Amino acid sequence: QVQLVQSGAAVKKPGSSVKVFCKASGGTFSRYAISWVRQAPGQGLEWMGGIIPIFGTTKYTQKFQGRLTITADESTDTAYMELSSLRSEDTAMYYCAGRLGVADTEEFDPWGQGTLVTVSS
Amino acid sequence: QSVLTQPPSVSGAPGQRVTISCTGSSSNIGAGFDVHWYQQLPGTAPKLLIYANNNRPSGVPDRFSGSKSGTSAALAITGLRPEDEGDYYCQSYDYSLSGSLFGGGTRLTVL
Repeated sequence: QVQLVQSGAAVKKPGSSVKVFCKASGGTFSRYAISWVRQAPGQGLEWMGGIIPIFGTTKYTQKFQGRLTITADESTDTAYMELSSLRSEDTAMYYCAGRLGVADTEEFDPWGQGTLVTVSS
Repeated sequence: QSVLTQPPSVSGAPGQRVTISCTGSSSNIGAGFDVHWYQQLPGTAPKLLIYANNNRPSGVPDRFSGSKSGTSAALAITGLRPEDEGDYYCQSYDYSLSGSLFGGGTRLTVL
């Protein structure tokens, strides 16, 4: 089964942007849709949006429209999440999660190890 | 409103059985969309525990089971073990949001 490995922790200033990558190995990247889920400190999971790499189609939750960009590079089996106009409330662990197939109703499996993004002046 | 409601916490002694509920609405669970459950142990990423309401991925013990009825779903854990302590999340699709939805999570404490 495919494994997802994410980039390392990042510390960013308010108003800046962060770009996190999620690289797949051990499987066929093109069979998966990749979503991004975040978890603020001590809080629950929040789905942000996702991409189907073979089609290049993206979907974002309303909350992040305009600030979130999800892309994928099939040549390197890597998905990216870029969040702009960062504020302190964006401090969180960001996970990528794979979904086999293209249906939005399917389960998330596997998950990346998470990337901690800290927004602080 | 598009939310999945879980109890904040549940607890049980080793060997006991606990259940965690997940209550949705007509735009998610009640619309017939599958419910999936995840286990998040302290300091780790979530892990798929139950998919499509009542199916266990390979490697998940049969102590874990899921069910769904109407606008609700439930996760049952039998023969509680100390290593089961952690957070449990339900997840489904919501057509009014046109996206995935997670429950608020339930903290399981093994007494």
